[in-house]
Amino acid sequence: SQQGEEDPQALSIQEGENATMNCSYKTSINNLQWYRQNSGRGLVHLILIRSNEREKHSGRLRVTLDTSKKSSSLLITASRAADTASYFCATPKAGANSKLTFGKGITLSVRP
Amino acid sequence: DAGVIQSPRHEVTEMGQEVTLRCKPISGHNSLFWYRQTMMRGLELLIYFNNNVPIDDSGMPEDRFSAKMPNASFSTLKIQPSEPRDSAVYFCASSPRLAGGQETQYFGPGTRLLVL
Repeated sequence: SQQGEEDPQALSIQEGENATMNCSYKTSINNLQWYRQNSGRGLVHLILIRSNEREKHSGRLRVTLDTSKKSSSLLITASRAADTASYFCATPKAGANSKLTFGKGITLSVRP
Repeated sequence: DAGVIQSPRHEVTEMGQEVTLRCKPISGHNSLFWYRQTMMRGLELLIYFNNNVPIDDSGMPEDRFSAKMPNASFSTLKIQPSEPRDSAVYFCASSPRLAGGQETQYFGPGTRLLVL
């Protein structure tokens, strides 16, 4: 089963509005990452938040992490049509050979 | 930097044929990952290498799949024989080093494979 699961599965908003996407995970982690995928392209790393951080900013992106609830949120403020993409959270899978596992993604559509 | 380079970008083949996907990681990156993406299963890690050595191939679906990394600048993923259910987008990603899941991965544009 997926380590990280995003919700909602799809989100449609008007340009200028804020977009909030959530990710829940099952086991303890030392960090969580968010990636973006534009249609027909590879994933692009957006931001990494460590387990000892509660909030992190990067431009119009704000990521929070609540380890007690095993959840994270990605907020995109003042959305633009160019933000239209799929967004994935990624968490390390516990084990000797830890590896990054991705959720199924959230499809964000920003209407101009 | 040119980023991760994958070839071909698109591949259409018939069931039973051998398919070879190629990847050139970012220069200086020590780790390389192969993923498969489908609508049904999302993004699945197939195998990853560190310093050209396979570390974990538990995601490789069957013996029909094999991957090699003969040197630091080249990797291949081979499917032999291919089947229609192998149709997917295959991504290669690289990172400067393994960091217990804290590494940032840089993805290539993907190879869209269609097996008829």
